[in-house]
Amino acid sequence: DTEVTQTPKHLVMGMTNKKSLKCEQHMGHRAMYWYKQKAKKPPELMFVYSYEKLSINESVPSRFSPECPNSSLLNLHLHALQPEDSALYLCASSQVQGFSGNTIYFGEGSWLTVV
Amino acid sequence: SQQGEEDPQALSIQEGENATMNCSYKTSINNLQWYRQNSGRGLVHLILIRSNEREKHSGRLRVTLDTSKKSSSLLITASRAADTASYFCATDEKQGKLIFGQGTELSVKP
Repeated sequence: DTEVTQTPKHLVMGMTNKKSLKCEQHMGHRAMYWYKQKAKKPPELMFVYSYEKLSINESVPSRFSPECPNSSLLNLHLHALQPEDSALYLCASSQVQGFSGNTIYFGEGSWLTVV
Repeated sequence: SQQGEEDPQALSIQEGENATMNCSYKTSINNLQWYRQNSGRGLVHLILIRSNEREKHSGRLRVTLDTSKKSSSLLITASRAADTASYFCATDEKQGKLIFGQGTELSVKP
């Protein structure tokens, strides 16, 4: 089973709302990732968690707040977003971070629209 | 930040033909991975090639890696209409970041 599950699949939120995206994997992976993808563009790395600790933050604005409550779950808390934050948000996981044999598995993504 | 360039940006072929996509990157890597993305969907992992490997096969897929030229290629043989998708290379940098190239849009006509 190489499944990464993301919820919700679609989310519409106002600029003053607070919402969260959720990601779950049961592969025993200890590295989890958030990516953002705009239409017709490649995914861009936002955050990396390794052993439930934030390892990489790619200078993401503070209106995006990641959280890793345990080794299976990864959340992305959203607050005061802008319309330009509308995108597909992809979660991914791998056994560990930075290993040469590290296959990184992606979920189906959450489509976010900010109105 | 984006690591690499892919070429071509778009490729249109007939069913049964082979499709070749190229990827170049800039820094040292642990591995290079290829993904497929159907329109509006998530990324499907196709193949991983480690930095000390030169070629790998998986079904109709053949991937090569030339670390001296910092480049890779993905060959899909005997293409099918169902192969229509965007294909991305992604390099796993030494610090554990997976950085994507710009992607190739492949269209396979029946």
